[in-house]
Amino acid sequence: DTGVSQNPRHKITKRGQNVTFRCDPISEHNRLYWYRQTLGQGPEFLTYFQNEAQLEKSRLLSDRFSAERPKGSFSTLEIQRTEQGDSAMYLCASRGQGFTDTQYFGPGTRLTVL
Amino acid sequence: GQQLNQSPQSMFIQEGEDVSMNCTSSSIFNTWLWYKQEPGEGPVLLIALYKAGELTSNGRLTAQFGITRKDSFLNISASIPSDVGIYFCAGLGYGGSQGNLIFGKGTKLSVKP
Repeated sequence: DTGVSQNPRHKITKRGQNVTFRCDPISEHNRLYWYRQTLGQGPEFLTYFQNEAQLEKSRLLSDRFSAERPKGSFSTLEIQRTEQGDSAMYLCASRGQGFTDTQYFGPGTRLTVL
Repeated sequence: GQQLNQSPQSMFIQEGEDVSMNCTSSSIFNTWLWYKQEPGEGPVLLIALYKAGELTSNGRLTAQFGITRKDSFLNISASIPSDVGIYFCAGLGYGGSQGNLIFGKGTKLSVKP
């Protein structure tokens, strides 16, 4: 399967711990997005990469959050000192280079902070 | 900031019925997308719309990009049980953003066999 993959699918952690999620985009896609989705809401944009460059960050991305895409392929999203309010589904999407190329989402990582 | 108003919030219909849902915005969008999401999964793209007035079909699904660029609707004909899920509209605005989508809150569809 050549779709977007995310790992882990589920993560349960205690408040104050650090967590890291991984996203592997569709191989030929140079654009990668992270979104957060809470219950009953649509996904909300967190950050965007074009190749290895992080070009846009939402105000939702507090200083406890950091994202990287070191070689322009896979990306990681780290949350430091997790809080209960960080509990959500974290979604990754990738997109090709064309103007009409659309975003394809991965299955998400469900984070629960106890 | 830009927001999308999606309605209805939920629908309970009988198998075989047609479904209609819509999305409106106070801002202009240059692309409208419709996604379906099932529990524990990411959104799956259903239809993409790129031009005002565009009407696009994907099997039993039909979507239109409103002529004002501020709205879009999705119709599902002859619903079946596997249509159950949450349908999201998403818009991509002009300028500024690098393509990050703005989503509605979703329409939850339940189909009774």
